Parts: sequence; structure tokens; C-alpha cells
Amino acid sequence: RKEVEQDPGPFNVPEGATVAFNCTYSNSASQSFFWYRQDCRKEPKLLMSVYSSGNEDGRFTAQLNRASQYISLLIRDSKLSDSATYLCVVGGSTLTFGKGTMLLVSP
Amino acid sequence: SQTIHQWPATLVQPVGSPLSLECTVEGTSNPNLYWYRQAAGRGLQLLFYSVGIGQISSEVPQNLSASRPQDRQFILSSKKLLLSDSGFYLCAWSGARVNTEAFFGQGTRLTVV
Repeated sequence: RKEVEQDPGPFNVPEGATVAFNCTYSNSASQSFFWYRQDCRKEPKLLMSVYSSGNEDGRFTAQLNRASQYISLLIRDSKLSDSATYLCVVGGSTLTFGKGTMLLVSP
Repeated sequence: SQTIHQWPATLVQPVGSPLSLECTVEGTSNPNLYWYRQAAGRGLQLLFYSVGIGQISSEVPQNLSASRPQDRQFILSSKKLLLSDSGFYLCAWSGARVNTEAFFGQGTRLTVV
């Protein structure tokens, strides 16, 4: 089983749609969880941390289920500018990145 | 505020040539430093990480090496590049505490020809 596994994508959605990204991780001892965003040919940038209680930042909501070793990211009211690759990241002794799921938001 | 500088942004090197990529961090002390590689269409692969001067951990055996001569300087090197070394190289830093988020430099796109 891969350490961090994400939906392969790409996801093609119209503006205004709600889109959900899923991620599973294999190391039950993992301590920290993040979502990063990576634009084409750019470096990854931290989007948000993920807490056990779930957390929200504007249109973005992240959830963590430790028992199922599952992380999710929900984007509501998608904008064209949300088009990017979303990386699930799990922290242990170091950070382990998923391969990412590409999102394409169309007009 | 903390900033991370990585250069060059783009590099084209012949097979068998040496490599030196440099990364420096400003605005923080004793950061954890990382080198990642992202091959075309693939995820980020951790190459090296360092928790202090002269302390380097290698995640993947290969013809690359890393050094940390100063607290906020991290260097990625190779004596002889291979075609398979082509990729997007990213330096990152995180706080000294375990499990904190990492912040990336702008990356170096290396093409070995």
C-alpha cells in the first residue's frame, strides 16, 4: 500500500461546483496532516493544515478521520483560480506527499 | 518573515557534468531543510533532509549528495549527472519541531541532455 494515496484525477468541474478530494495514508503513527496546492511548473504552497476536529477556511473544508486513516478536502463554489494540483501531505519523521489530484475548473 | 531562496531557476546540463544547487533560508534559525525531486507526472520524492549543520539523512540511494555547511544553507550536488536526474528540484524548510509544515523555494528545473 502506498504511503499516501490520492484520487488520480484530473477532476473537471464547472465554476460554482463543489468538489471533494480524498486521501488515505498507511502509517497509523502519523501526527500531522496538510493540504498543499501546486500550480503548473511552480512550487507547492501550503493550503491548510488538517485537524482532527475538522477545519474550515472560507470555501475550503478539511476533514481527518484517524480511525480510517482518511483525509478529505472540500472546495465549495469553485473558481477558475482554483485550478491546480492538490497534494495531500502526511507528517511523521518527515513529510510524505501524495502524487496529487489535478483540478480543472472551467467557465 | 521567513524566506527561502533557491537558484538557479532553470538549468540544462550535459550527461556526466557536475551539479551544484544552492538553497538559503532567511528569518529563522536552526530550520529543518529538505531537498525534494519531482519527476514529470510524478509526486514529490524526498531526497535528503537535515536537522542541523553537517547532519544529512538520505532517503534514496543515488548519485546525488547533499551538504549543510551553514545553519541556513543547503546544497545539492552530483559529480556526474545522469539522464534520469532530470526533474524539478525543490528545497524546503520547516521549523525545528517535528511534524510542522514545510515551505518551498521556487524550485530548479533541471534538464540533463
